[in-house]
Amino acid sequence: NAGVTQTPKFRILKIGQSMTLQCAQDMNHNYMYWYRQDPGMGLKLIYYSVGAGITDKGEVPNGYNVSRSTTEYFPLRLELAAPSQTSVYFCASVGQGNTEAFFGQGTRLTVV
Amino acid sequence: GESVGLHLPTLSVQEGDNSIINCAYSNSASDYFIWYKQESGKGPQFIIDIRSNMDKRQGQRVTVLLNKTVKHLSLQIAATQPGDSAVYFCAENPPGYALNFGKGTSLLVTP
Repeated sequence: NAGVTQTPKFRILKIGQSMTLQCAQDMNHNYMYWYRQDPGMGLKLIYYSVGAGITDKGEVPNGYNVSRSTTEYFPLRLELAAPSQTSVYFCASVGQGNTEAFFGQGTRLTVV
Repeated sequence: GESVGLHLPTLSVQEGDNSIINCAYSNSASDYFIWYKQESGKGPQFIIDIRSNMDKRQGQRVTVLLNKTVKHLSLQIAATQPGDSAVYFCAENPPGYALNFGKGTSLLVTP
């Protein structure tokens, strides 16, 4: 199993550009999450999903969108990139009835 | 909203000593609490969890203590090693919601 795979690893965007951060897991986990981590800080929840076709806002959803058409994929969309969205983004998944979240390696995004 | 926080942002210990990392939580409805370790440039990794109906759980060199009376969680690492140097996060899992992470404590192990 590859676990949780995020692409790209690094990206530089100009203000106003859009992009999609990809996240895939091959563990058939129901729960998937997107977090952002600013330097020296903890992880803030952006969006989460409890299963295919279901998504919910987290603590900091503004400026982002998600979709969950299948169990495996949970992409995060930035429509109009802003400098405040410069951060490291982590995708995670959890299996039904489990407590351990598996994290991807992160996507480091810089908006200039 | 409710949050999980840490008392100490940085902790420096000598190799071989025991480390204690503390965490305060505020959501008494959380089902369980988890400790994660994050090494530089990597995603967080699960260390150990504890259910809300327990007050202590032991793993390999790690022990988590839960005090629901004062809403306090701690991670004890025995015989700390250089490989333990990382940022440690506590997290809580309120029912029907996602993991809520605290700010983190940076643990530095010195020789």
